[in-house]
Amino acid sequence: GAVVSQHPSWVICKSGTSVKIECRSLDFQATTMFWYRQFPKQSLMLMATSNEGSKATYEQGVEKDKFLINHASLTLSTLTVTSAHPEDSSFYICSALRTSGRSLGEQYFGPGTRLTVT
Amino acid sequence: AQKITQTQPGMFVQEKEAVTLDCTYDTSDPSYGLFWYKQPSSGEMIFLIYQGSYDQQNATEGRYSLNFQKARKSANLVISASQLGDSAMYFCAMRETSSNTGKLIFGQGTTLQVKP
Repeated sequence: GAVVSQHPSWVICKSGTSVKIECRSLDFQATTMFWYRQFPKQSLMLMATSNEGSKATYEQGVEKDKFLINHASLTLSTLTVTSAHPEDSSFYICSALRTSGRSLGEQYFGPGTRLTVT
Repeated sequence: AQKITQTQPGMFVQEKEAVTLDCTYDTSDPSYGLFWYKQPSSGEMIFLIYQGSYDQQNATEGRYSLNFQKARKSANLVISASQLGDSAMYFCAMRETSSNTGKLIFGQGTTLQVKP
């Protein structure tokens, strides 16, 4: 199956600093990637759709100035949590959409990044 | 608006027995896809099985099968011959074809514990 990586797998940062998380599709090109947030024992909540070469589409209630998304290439999307606060501590998961012919394609998920803000 | 509901926060099953995890959905789109994912404690999302809204037969993948009842808008996951390694959180998800975005909407999840 397709491989999607995330870096770092975990990060601890101080309140007020910014953290960048990378999502890479290793063996296919992805014009669309997705960023999710997951609190312990809860569901994945879609934060935004990352589109290569254009602005990300944010879900309702997600602050686009706080969660900056850049999809600069067909294999890389980054999520930057700006001025992080303890309430931003969460598990962040990305996925890359692999399209195939006429179908919408399949999402392949990264292993996730655990962010802890102290 | 589309919605996915998993009403079982937690389930227990004895090793080697079968278990059904419930999932109901709501959509006005006639074309959609339903997915099940497994998330072990490591956090990775593992794709299990897919059912398209126009598929005539229920999907099966090894020990996983999907009991698709379109009229009832349910897509329950059946795991046969449970193994200790099946202990994990399970998510049902839906994608509406008409949106053409590939977005997945997830249910709340069910935590499954397999007892030895």
